[in-house]
Amino acid sequence: GESVGLHLPTLSVQEGDNSIINCAYSNSASDYFIWYKQESGKGPQFIIDIRSNMDKRQGQRVTVLLNKTVKHLSLQIAATQPGDSAVYFCADSRAGSARQLTFGSGTQLTVLP
Amino acid sequence: GAGVSQSPSNKVTEKGKDVELRCDPISGHTALYWYRQSLGQGLEFLIYFQGNSAPDKSGLPSDRFSAERTGGSVSTLTIQRTQQEDSAVYLCASSTLFTSGGEQYFGPGTRLTVT
Repeated sequence: GESVGLHLPTLSVQEGDNSIINCAYSNSASDYFIWYKQESGKGPQFIIDIRSNMDKRQGQRVTVLLNKTVKHLSLQIAATQPGDSAVYFCADSRAGSARQLTFGSGTQLTVLP
Repeated sequence: GAGVSQSPSNKVTEKGKDVELRCDPISGHTALYWYRQSLGQGLEFLIYFQGNSAPDKSGLPSDRFSAERTGGSVSTLTIQRTQQEDSAVYLCASSTLFTSGGEQYFGPGTRLTVT
């Protein structure tokens, strides 16, 4: 069935290093992808999104890469900071699906001092 | 500006009781979504409202779950005869009308505990 999955449930990085969080999706009809950050006790917070007509998009310290051939996307965080510690979710949606987001189970990012 | 708000923030109820969860979307957002997040899991889609169109209820797990949206703004999610497996965080999100994808803004959620 349709699913969005993450390769690793946890990721630990040293402060100042770059982080890469990976995500695989299964529905080839998906045309919109989004990354959310969720801190404990809070709702998901938008980080960055990308549409299927692009393969890369950059924000402030973050980059999302989309590889439609292998149905894979990644979130890169540059110069990871302690405040980046959170659970990161990828999600996808497609036209005609009420634009509901299908979420992966999340990756817990821990930034080590 | 004001974001999505939800109430209550926490709800503890006894098995078999009914509960109502409230969501106030961002003003002007025509799309409203309810999701459920179990402990340590991703978000599970429940229901979607878009303007005056009939809601998409395809994610509701059973007929004990229902939702309504009055006046195209505030929404309530009702769970009847609650069960322990209903314990989760219920998240509401709103968005502007779009066809090619777009950001959904989430509220802080209501943590429901069924004892």
